[in-house]
Amino acid sequence: TQLLEQSPQFLSIQEGENLTVYCNSSSVFSSLQWYRQEPGEGPVLLVTVVTGGEVKKLKRLTFQFGDARKDSSLHITAAQTGDTGLYLCAGGGATNKLIFGTGTLLAVQP
Amino acid sequence: NAGVMQNPRHLVRRRGQEARLRCSPMKGHSHVYWYRQLPEEGLKFMVYLQKENIIDESGMPKERFSAEFPKEGPSILRIQQVVRGDSAAYFCASSDWTGGSYEQYFGPGTRLTVT
Repeated sequence: TQLLEQSPQFLSIQEGENLTVYCNSSSVFSSLQWYRQEPGEGPVLLVTVVTGGEVKKLKRLTFQFGDARKDSSLHITAAQTGDTGLYLCAGGGATNKLIFGTGTLLAVQP
Repeated sequence: NAGVMQNPRHLVRRRGQEARLRCSPMKGHSHVYWYRQLPEEGLKFMVYLQKENIIDESGMPKERFSAEFPKEGPSILRIQQVVRGDSAAYFCASSDWTGGSYEQYFGPGTRLTVT
């Protein structure tokens, strides 16, 4: 069974701080997607990484896919209150179905 | 450019009734997926469909649940004889090939409450 563990589970920080969220598995994935989900809404796709070692930047967010395609990280620089939400990583495989991580709930305090 | 549409957004059913959840994929997308998010649990894959075909239903409960994606019209997730344990948020996603992967875009979800 493929599992994706995210850490930390909860994170409460002050506006302006930096943070990193980790997504780890013992399985290899062909792609890794990061989503953010607000209460009562569906997950919103932030980025997709497909190549081992790949780094993608989206404004203050930096995403990295591990060399072995088993893990990923999301780094947020100078967090803002608008970054508050549930961050989910999801691994994709041969059949297209996504295996979702356990989630990281981020709260950015003003 | 409309995203993935789901309706209804909220659905209340009594135990034993049927629930029908509808999903219209993004324009141009031919792949539809259904996921379930139980209270205090993560998102779990249920089924993957293309037009008129079920590709992967490995996450679907063996009884009472069925899904279709007809040639015309939305995809339907049908739950017969609902029980309290079916109460959850059901999300539909759609995708198309982007050259590196099938990026999945999610709808707002249908929140099913079984009383």
